[in-house]
Amino acid sequence: AQSVTQLDSHVSVSEGTPVLLRCNYSSSYSPSLFWYVQHPNKGLQLLLKYTSAATLVKGINGFEAEFKKSETSFHLTKPSAHMSDAAEYFCVVSTRGSSNTGKLIFGQGTTLQVKP
Amino acid sequence: GAVVSQHPSWVICKSGTSVKIECRSLDFQATTMFWYRQFPKQSLMLMATSNEGSKATYEQGVEKDKFLINHASLTLSTLTVTSAHPEDSSFYICSASSATARGYGYTFGSGTRLTVV
Repeated sequence: AQSVTQLDSHVSVSEGTPVLLRCNYSSSYSPSLFWYVQHPNKGLQLLLKYTSAATLVKGINGFEAEFKKSETSFHLTKPSAHMSDAAEYFCVVSTRGSSNTGKLIFGQGTTLQVKP
Repeated sequence: GAVVSQHPSWVICKSGTSVKIECRSLDFQATTMFWYRQFPKQSLMLMATSNEGSKATYEQGVEKDKFLINHASLTLSTLTVTSAHPEDSSFYICSASSATARGYGYTFGSGTRLTVV
């Protein structure tokens, strides 16, 4: 069975400093992994996705994530936080690998707070 | 890019009434639609999966008679909360994917805030 664990429920950084949101996954086969962002009372926006191509995935708004099979991790990073990055972030795994008809399993979410 | 339009964005209804939420894929054929529920400060919980023209598959613990899902066309899926009660108050989000337009991946609607009074 597939699952994801977001290791931090809340992360606080100062504007201009690096962001690290941690995610570990469990999958019985090569997974498809995603990071989504959700602003209050809004839907979800895809930041980036990994589907067995390059292990370092670059996404929108300066975010990137590295797939590390040996560590079963898919941590999200950004070199310099912006106030507009404050939101809820979800690490997600698909139940059917690269197919986009599988279910998405969501992590519990990490709230990113950005202080001025 | 792919867009899913979800309406209404918020709705308040009286206890005992029914509410219908619509999700439309605007520029692609949504062969599969997923419906999620999200409680405050919590993650998304998958309620059901529907493929166009087929009955929805509900997750364990989700009452299929209370949460009616229709996916009669490749561009429209609806979720009807029947005989709503205050405990049904939540944020509902749809997500569409296409088996024929895989590059679109999963596209989420903007969500519906349901408040039952």
